[in-house]
Amino acid sequence: EAAVTQSPRNKVAVTGGKVTLSCNQTNNHNNMYWYRQDTGHGLRLIHYSYGAGSTEKGDIPDGYKASRPSQENFSLILELATPSQTSVYFCASGLSNERLFFGHGTKLSVL
Amino acid sequence: QQKVQQSPESLTVSEGAMASLNCTFSDRSSDNFRWYRQHSGKGLEVLVSIFSDGEKEEGSFTAHLNRASLHVFLHIREPQPSDSALYLCAVTPSGSWQLIFGSGTQLTVMP
Repeated sequence: EAAVTQSPRNKVAVTGGKVTLSCNQTNNHNNMYWYRQDTGHGLRLIHYSYGAGSTEKGDIPDGYKASRPSQENFSLILELATPSQTSVYFCASGLSNERLFFGHGTKLSVL
Repeated sequence: QQKVQQSPESLTVSEGAMASLNCTFSDRSSDNFRWYRQHSGKGLEVLVSIFSDGEKEEGSFTAHLNRASLHVFLHIREPQPSDSALYLCAVTPSGSWQLIFGSGTQLTVMP
């Protein structure tokens, strides 16, 4: 079974601070994704990657950067966190979108 | 832009009674449709994928796709309290690889 591990599980940040959410997958999947989940919106795609060194913008990239330094790791970076970025963030990986494996999520609160 | 809506927002059923969830989409030419389950504080697990009109069964979960009416249903046969979770519908638009998620139906199964 594919393993996708997110850290931290919970994070409290201050407005204007920098936040880095990390994701690690151990199944050699090419594609990795960052989503945020908000009540009434389902999951929305922020950034994705096709492999090491690649990052692409999703549907709601504003205020976020991504980094894919290796096949295994994909980070989401909030350079200047705002309260509107309070959400639950999910990382996923897969060979295609036919079957995605999701992490358990990171709950971020920006005060 | 593909729109995906789910109803009802919440549903309570008794253990063993059929549960039926509804997902409507806006693009009749969409390629494929998935149902995910998310237990509280956990990631998403895919339950069933369907690509053509008709039914697809995976264990106690049956997806029913009707493109003409723009609906894809999920029926849960003899649900258990452990099936209490958020159920998410995801649609892949034609010519795209992305997943467009609905906002989910919160299912509660009473013992």
